[in-house]
Amino acid sequence: QVQLQESGPGLVKPSETLSLTCSVSGYSISSGYYWGWIRQPPGKGPEWIGSVYHSGSTYYNPSLKSRVTISVDTSKNQFSLNLNSVIAGDTAVYYCARAAIAAAYNWFDPWGQGTLVTVSS
Amino acid sequence: EIVMTQSPATLSVSPGERATLSCRASQSVSSNLAWYQQKPGQAPRLLIYGASARATGIPARFSGSGSGTEFTLTISSPQSEDFAVYYCQQYNNWPMCSFGQGTKLEIK
Repeated sequence: QVQLQESGPGLVKPSETLSLTCSVSGYSISSGYYWGWIRQPPGKGPEWIGSVYHSGSTYYNPSLKSRVTISVDTSKNQFSLNLNSVIAGDTAVYYCARAAIAAAYNWFDPWGQGTLVTVSS
Repeated sequence: EIVMTQSPATLSVSPGERATLSCRASQSVSSNLAWYQQKPGQAPRLLIYGASARATGIPARFSGSGSGTEFTLTISSPQSEDFAVYYCQQYNNWPMCSFGQGTKLEIK
């Protein structure tokens, strides 16, 4: 079955760049679907960050668009998140997930286990 | 931005007692609504999509209903493993989507 696994630093300093990678197994990213990043601050609901298609097309949450870049590496079956100029408010558990197969079906299933990223000096 | 509001914040029920969780959208999202279950330390798990379709492997005691701005997740006879936090998510305005703040289902 499809499995996703996030990796990257758990601690990032303010003003620096948060970088995470999601490795996908059990399914080829090139076969379709959008692939997304979602974050969840402690004790709060999830927030969609953005999604990428295997072609490289990207969509971002307007609230984060100026600081976010999502890219895909089909040769490694991975996709990545960069969030720059981080602040304490970016502290959250970051999840990657398989997203929409098409625009009308934009739910997330399955999800990776998540990785806690803390922004602190 | 479409705001999703879930109620109540916490719902206390006895095992086997029907649980009804609500989700309201700030504007119509048609039937473009999903429900997720999240247990402590775990990622959300998809339960329902299209407002009422159960995801693969989800027990029949979970059911979703509603359209437009009012939605309900019903757990007909909650089992011990069902006590968790539940989130709704609207996906009506591609590519944007938004989640509710969650309802915690706890054992009475």
